[in-house]
Amino acid sequence: QVSLVQSGTEVKKPGASVKVSCQASGYSFTSYEISWVRQAPGQGLEWMGCISTKHGYTKIAQKLQDRVTLTTDTSTSTAYVELKSLRSDDSAVYYCARGGYEDYSGLDVWGPGTTVTVSS
Amino acid sequence: QSVLTQPPSASGTPGQSVTISCSGSSSNIGVNYVYWYQQLPATAPKLLIYLNDQRPSGVPDRFSGSKSGASASLAISGLRSEDEADYYCSAWDASLNAFVFGTGTTVTVL
Repeated sequence: QVSLVQSGTEVKKPGASVKVSCQASGYSFTSYEISWVRQAPGQGLEWMGCISTKHGYTKIAQKLQDRVTLTTDTSTSTAYVELKSLRSDDSAVYYCARGGYEDYSGLDVWGPGTTVTVSS
Repeated sequence: QSVLTQPPSASGTPGQSVTISCSGSSSNIGVNYVYWYQQLPATAPKLLIYLNDQRPSGVPDRFSGSKSGASASLAISGLRSEDEADYYCSAWDASLNAFVFGTGTTVTVL
């Protein structure tokens, strides 16, 4: 069945970087974009960006453009989000989801989430 | 801050109907499709409605979506205890060149 498996919990210090992975299975990886959404504790959903798995094009939320990098490895059907210069307000659960700007079917499959804690 | 506005809470007794509103603008809901997501406690969101009013397979027909102008609504009929969750609307915003989510609505089954 279609699934997205994410990497494990991360604890980072302010100023460090974190890279979260998302491995897809059960479908053709390059047929759908991958989006990244984060949720701070007790808060709502925040879209971070999406990447075309076929062409590598990215769209990233304006407030994160200078700190976020989205990449993919099509040989392993894995997507990555890297966030640099971490701050305490980057502490959140980070989700990957299948779909994006060009996929009108919505974010139809979600990973379980990766908890990132930023603390000194 | 969220660009799409939802009521913070909604409630009903089992069997009743509940409607959640989502107010946007001419740069998002007014010109693009609306999506709805359900998030049960401590779980990842789940797609409930896509393309304004379409249900993915497996989503009960108790859930229905609609859109009019720059606003959208999610209706839940025949409310059940398992519908207790947070619900988020979402749409592409042409001005921000980004997906935006609503503020979220917590549904309580009394």
